[in-house]
Parts: sequence; C-alpha cells; structure tokens
Amino acid sequence: QSALTQPASVSGSPGQSITISCTGASSDVGGYDFVSWYQQHPGKAPKLMIYDVTNRPSGVPNRFSGSKSGNTASLTISGLQAEDEADYYCFSYTSSSTYVFGTGTKVTVL
Amino acid sequence: QMQLVESGGALVKPGGSLRLSCAASGFTFGGYYMSWIRQAPGKGLEWVSYISSRSGMTIYYADSVKGRFTVSRDNAKNSLYLQISSLRDEDTAVYYCVRMGGWGAFDIWGHGTMVTVSS
Repeated sequence: QSALTQPASVSGSPGQSITISCTGASSDVGGYDFVSWYQQHPGKAPKLMIYDVTNRPSGVPNRFSGSKSGNTASLTISGLQAEDEADYYCFSYTSSSTYVFGTGTKVTVL
Repeated sequence: QMQLVESGGALVKPGGSLRLSCAASGFTFGGYYMSWIRQAPGKGLEWVSYISSRSGMTIYYADSVKGRFTVSRDNAKNSLYLQISSLRDEDTAVYYCVRMGGWGAFDIWGHGTMVTVSS
C-alpha cells in the first residue's frame, strides 16, 4: 500500500486560509469516509484534528475543517494562527482492511 | 483522564526481539479496537497493526511487519502488547499505542516508546 500523497510544505500568514490536499485512490480515500487528519508538533505525539472526513473532535478549533472529493481529501485551516505551525498527516482506511498515512505536510506560519 | 502509557522500548541488535506494552486508563479498554503506529526518526507516521475489541479475534498488520510482529491484548489488565522479532534497522522508530474511537478516528495516543535497532 503506497502512502497517500500530500504536499511537502504549505505556508501562510496569520489570519490567512490554507488547504492541504491528500490524494489516494478508489481503494482508500475515494472508497471510504474513514479519512482523518493529525497534527504533530515537534517531539510530541500526533493529535486527532478531523475524523470521518469532516468531523471535528471536541476541543479542536472550528477553524479546522475537512472535505473530500473523489480520491482527494483536504484539510483547510481558516484564520491561520502561530500555534498551527506543525506537521499534518492524513490517514485512510483501505480496501485491504488496513490503514495508510499520507506523506505529511509541514505548515509554516510566516 | 483517558490515558495510554507505552513501555518496553530499548536498544536491540538486528535479529533481536522485544515486547512493547501499553497501559490504558480512564476508559473501558476492552470495548475499543486498539492500534500501534510508528515513526522513524525524522520520518512520517506508519500504521503498524490493529486488534479488535473484546476477544481480539480480528488482527491486521502492515505488510512491512507481517510475520515478525504480533499484537495482543489483556483486557483484565487494561493492556495492549506488541511482540516484535527479527528486528531490522528500519524498525528503529517511536512506537505509539493508539485507541481507535471509530474506523476513522484514532483519538487517543500515548507518548510513545523508542525502539532502536543497532549493532
């Protein structure tokens, strides 16, 4: 199972909106609504930010949102803040009953 | 509060074995699927394995570890385990224990335990 494809880096100024794409195949992202997104700060464990494509866990700011179209899922951060600077990973269930992560995206707040 | 604490990480020689443990607290451990995820130094996340709730009869592994890693659970001890054998250099990573809140929601993560494979 190949890793899902994410851009290596995305940047934006405070207050701006950015979108991170996550491209897979019909056997993973496109075939199931079990796509999630994780934020990871250096030296820390990942944190769930979006689950089941569009749902936000309690405590996650509403400036984080998720969507999916075909084989591509997306995470949008609206009103970018300094504390959003981190690595972000998408994650999907697959037709083999396994899971696959995206390649990861480093978000930089300018 | 809900918590997962991993232990057992160590420096091991290639070909060696190790058992990682994960102690759960603050939630009904037996009612949840559980998973192991790893991250090599400076690299991305890699899903390793998951085990079903209750009896743990359903288990899946990533191709990279199939036949070498064995996941198990002891609900009476609120514990998850990962037996890793025939260790290779590329198994060097932080290993995270993770609760599966749903098929698309890996919602509680431990702090991780480091496994280093080196001669």
